Amino acid sequence: RKEVEQDPGPFNVPEGATVAFNCTYSNSASQSFFWYRQDCRKEPKLLMSVYSSGNEDGRFTAQLNRASQYISLLIRDSKLSDSATYLCVVNPGAGTYKYIFGTGTRLKVLA
Amino acid sequence: GAVVSQHPSWVICKSGTSVKIECRSLDFQATTMFWYRQFPKQSLMLMATSNEGSKATYEQGVEKDKFLINHASLTLSTLTVTSAHPEDSSFYICSATRTGTGYETQYFGPGTRLLVL
Repeated sequence: RKEVEQDPGPFNVPEGATVAFNCTYSNSASQSFFWYRQDCRKEPKLLMSVYSSGNEDGRFTAQLNRASQYISLLIRDSKLSDSATYLCVVNPGAGTYKYIFGTGTRLKVLA
Repeated sequence: GAVVSQHPSWVICKSGTSVKIECRSLDFQATTMFWYRQFPKQSLMLMATSNEGSKATYEQGVEKDKFLINHASLTLSTLTVTSAHPEDSSFYICSATRTGTGYETQYFGPGTRLLVL
């Protein structure tokens, strides 16, 4: 089982749609969680950290479910500019700053 | 915000050449930096953890004698791909950890595309 698993997609959605991605992780002791966005041939950019209480930033909402070991990202009112690959990232903790990356979920927002 | 730079952004070289890539944190000190490699349509794979003033920690399967890492200061880490071969062609990305935030966010450099002919 991979440490961090994501559906690679692609998710093709029309503009204005709401889309949700899930990501599961295998290490129950994992400490911190993030969603990064990566555009084609670019470096990953931090979209948001994922807190236990869940957090929202504009059209983006992230949730953490420790019991089921998954995190989610919800994008409302999709824009064309949201088209990218969304990377689920887990820090396993235990005194390390290492990140474990999922393979990413590709989103295409269509006009 | 936290800014990380990488240089060069593109390298094309002949097989057998050594290539040095620099990673700098521009507006913060980074005790820890990371080097990743990403092949087309694949996820980022951690190669090594670079710690200022000490030896790098390499991930399993990464040859430390081939990928030399030096973290001489709190704002600079370098990765040298020694005797590069075509299979080393990839997108190399560094990141730096900004500590003290509670979540140890990593900030990524823009990456270096290496093409070995």
